[in-house]
Amino acid sequence: NAGVMQNPRHLVRRRGQEARLRCSPMKGHSHVYWYRQLPEEGLKFMVYLQKENIIDESGMPKERFSAEFPKEGPSILRIQQVVRGDSAAYFCASSPSPWASGIRDTQYFGPGTRLTVL
Amino acid sequence: KQEVTQIPAALSVPEGENLVLNCSFTDSAIYNLQWFRQDPGKGLTSLLLIQSSQREQTSGRLNASLDKSSGRSTLYIAASQPGDSATYLCAVPFILNYQLIWGAGTKLIIKP
Repeated sequence: NAGVMQNPRHLVRRRGQEARLRCSPMKGHSHVYWYRQLPEEGLKFMVYLQKENIIDESGMPKERFSAEFPKEGPSILRIQQVVRGDSAAYFCASSPSPWASGIRDTQYFGPGTRLTVL
Repeated sequence: KQEVTQIPAALSVPEGENLVLNCSFTDSAIYNLQWFRQDPGKGLTSLLLIQSSQREQTSGRLNASLDKSSGRSTLYIAASQPGDSATYLCAVPFILNYQLIWGAGTKLIIKP
């Protein structure tokens, strides 16, 4: 059973370009979470999605950032017109549901995509 | 505001020592607490997860404790080895919240 897959692992963009980060959850998982880790900082929640629905996007910057999790295919985190401050590691996690047998289920993390904006 | 704090930010000890990493959280209404390890430039490795009803969890040389009432968790590493060198992160899902709130991490260096 493959774990959470993220690609690309490393992405370099110039200022003003678009960045697309992909996340394939573990098999059977329909809940996806995106986190961002700025250099020398902890992770910060960005968005929580279920298939075709955004459940909580309270951590997403108001502009340039969007996320989707279509019925078929991976979840996509899209950053338009990237700036140097977007350089960070972006981690995706998945879970079968937020709950397992009445207790909070764990989230399984992918290896991350390291975005560098030149 | 729901926050997670880790102390110290960095720690360097000789090989073989036992050590304790600390994590504190501002709200006792949590589902669980999880400790992760992150190697430089790498992803996250889950070490231990303690449910809110539990007091501790053990895995090999690692032991994590949880005291919800005081808002504290500790990660105890016995007989440290150079391979334990990494950044250790704790993360908490607060009640009625889907997201994990993360501490900034403790960067651990074990000197041979």
